[in-house]
Amino acid sequence: SQTIHQWPATLVQPVGSPLSLECTVEGTSNPNLYWYRQAAGRGLQLLFYSVGIGQISSEVPQNLSASRPQDRQFILSSKKLLLSDSGFYLCALGGNTEAFFGQGTRLTVV
Amino acid sequence: KQEVTQIPAALSVPEGENLVLNCSFTDSAIYNLQWFRQDPGKGLTSLLLIQSSQREQTSGRLNASLDKSSGRSTLYIAASQPGDSATYLCAVRPSGGYNKLIFGAGTRLAVHP
Repeated sequence: SQTIHQWPATLVQPVGSPLSLECTVEGTSNPNLYWYRQAAGRGLQLLFYSVGIGQISSEVPQNLSASRPQDRQFILSSKKLLLSDSGFYLCALGGNTEAFFGQGTRLTVV
Repeated sequence: KQEVTQIPAALSVPEGENLVLNCSFTDSAIYNLQWFRQDPGKGLTSLLLIQSSQREQTSGRLNASLDKSSGRSTLYIAASQPGDSATYLCAVRPSGGYNKLIFGAGTRLAVHP
């Protein structure tokens, strides 16, 4: 069965510091991978998606970037965090069938 | 532009009640629709997936229906239990493109003993 690992579970970072969130998946190959953000009181917003190694598409202009160095690894990064980057970040996999989500990372920028 | 709306935003019911959560979407050109459950501070758990050609799906006490032409889906929960307390999210996958999900804001359900 497919499994998604996200870490860390929680993170508190100062404004201006760098960020790296990692997502790895098991039990599948060549998955479509997604990064979503859930802000307090709001729905999930798609940030990035990837259909393969080195292939990244951005949904919204922002302070974040994504990379896919390996088939089952998806990384969300920032060079300098902003207060507005705070939120709950979720990694997901799926193609045109059922989507599965990781347990998320709670990021608080202070 | 596809938009997904969930009504009500919050719901509080006594244990044992049957309840209906509503989801509506503006563009009927969807590939499928998926219902999720989210517990506080946790990720999303997939509950039911309905393909665009299907009318409903059932899993245990849960039943989800889809009326694509009218842009509506409902999640029916039978004999609710306190353990059902969570936020329920509806998401549609538009036809074509890269299969992203577009989410509603969710319905926060509280089932009290």
